Amino acid sequence: NAGVTQTPKFQVLKTGQSMTLQCAQDMNHNSMYWYRQDPGMGLRLIYYSASEGTTDKGEVPNGYNVSRLNKREFSLRLESAAPSQTSVYFCASSEGQGGEKLFFGSGTQLSVL
Amino acid sequence: DQQVKQNSPSLSVQEGRISILNCDYTNSMFDYFLWYKKYPAEGPTFLISISSIKDKNEDGRFTVFLNKSAKHLSLHIVPSQPGDSAVYFCAASPAGEYGNKLVFGAGTILRVKS
Repeated sequence: NAGVTQTPKFQVLKTGQSMTLQCAQDMNHNSMYWYRQDPGMGLRLIYYSASEGTTDKGEVPNGYNVSRLNKREFSLRLESAAPSQTSVYFCASSEGQGGEKLFFGSGTQLSVL
Repeated sequence: DQQVKQNSPSLSVQEGRISILNCDYTNSMFDYFLWYKKYPAEGPTFLISISSIKDKNEDGRFTVFLNKSAKHLSLHIVPSQPGDSAVYFCAASPAGEYGNKLVFGAGTILRVKS
């Protein structure tokens, strides 16, 4: 059982370039999330999808877009990367029933030069 | 303003001794608390949780204590093992809320020396 799978694991971009981070879960979860982790800041929510067909902004959505492609897949797109988006990105999923725990992917280390 | 604070960036403990990781919160609406553990190059994994109707929850070597009046919780690991060396994140949310309401602390790096 793979759980939550993220690709790529590492990426280096130049300022202004675009890219899409892919995420897929095989636990039949309803809800999916994108977080970024920065030193001293903990995990901050970028966007989430409570259920297939819906997406909403989290705490730090500026500069990002998301697509809930189907129940399994939730992608994060950087249209014009900036150095401030250098971070570790985590995708997560949960059952979506409330009061639940999240299951995380292994992360994407992104550097924007 | 950080609603969940882990004021100790790091903690070093001898193998076999107790590790105590602390977490403070400011939002009185928080009723559900979780600890996640993260190894390098991996995602966080759920460790243990507690709801506000309890003041203690145990799972093997891990115990979480909640002091609602002080808005403080702590994670005790007894005995500590080298494999416990990781980053520990405290998280909190209002009871029954979905995952998007989860607020994470900045994390504490635990090093267990053998």
